[in-house]
Amino acid sequence: KNQVEQSPQSLIILEGKNCTLQCNYTVSPFSNLRWYKQDTGRGPVSLTIMTFSENTKSNGRYTATLDADTKQSSLHITASQLSDSASYICVVSLSIYGGATNKLIFGTGTLLAVQP
Amino acid sequence: DTEVTQTPKHLVMGMTNKKSLKCEQHMGHRAMYWYKQKAKKPPELMFVYSYEKLSINESVPSRFSPECPNSSLLNLHLHALQPEDSALYLCASSQDPGQMLGYTFGSGTRLTVV
Repeated sequence: KNQVEQSPQSLIILEGKNCTLQCNYTVSPFSNLRWYKQDTGRGPVSLTIMTFSENTKSNGRYTATLDADTKQSSLHITASQLSDSASYICVVSLSIYGGATNKLIFGTGTLLAVQP
Repeated sequence: DTEVTQTPKHLVMGMTNKKSLKCEQHMGHRAMYWYKQKAKKPPELMFVYSYEKLSINESVPSRFSPECPNSSLLNLHLHALQPEDSALYLCASSQDPGQMLGYTFGSGTRLTVV
């Protein structure tokens, strides 16, 4: 079954601290893996996207890693800010119809709260 | 323009009403998507339009009717909804349905059915 699992479900950290969010997936055939940030009641905003051959990608204070062998990804947030408080969603793209179309498989997200 | 614009941002409708949600993008994307998201849950795919044609319908009830008038617009027509249909409705677009490059979500329409 194609699944994306994230941990922890929720996390509270102090402003300025670093944190790492985890994502494990069992999606096949794999196309790419994305991390999104979603504020409450708003649409998800893309942070990173990685293909099979990429094992790390950065976007400012966000760094994502991908281990395609173990089917694991992580999102590291450096020097957290209050505005980082949001839900972080790991999304794996599933190739269907012989690659003609992809379908996104969403994780349930990690709710991050950054406190002053 | 690198945005997907959804209107209205909020909508309250009765169970006998007919309303429409609108989604617009001017990035030249040829694939557009509708999602439904309940609180604290991930988005659930409803429909995919590829080159203005409906390519995926995830067994969505007929009270939701999508329409793609042109390559920049995507509508979702609502009729005889139930209170459990209350959710955040997200539109997204991508350059193509295959690689899904440039996948971009709109800010959503918060729908409340009373």
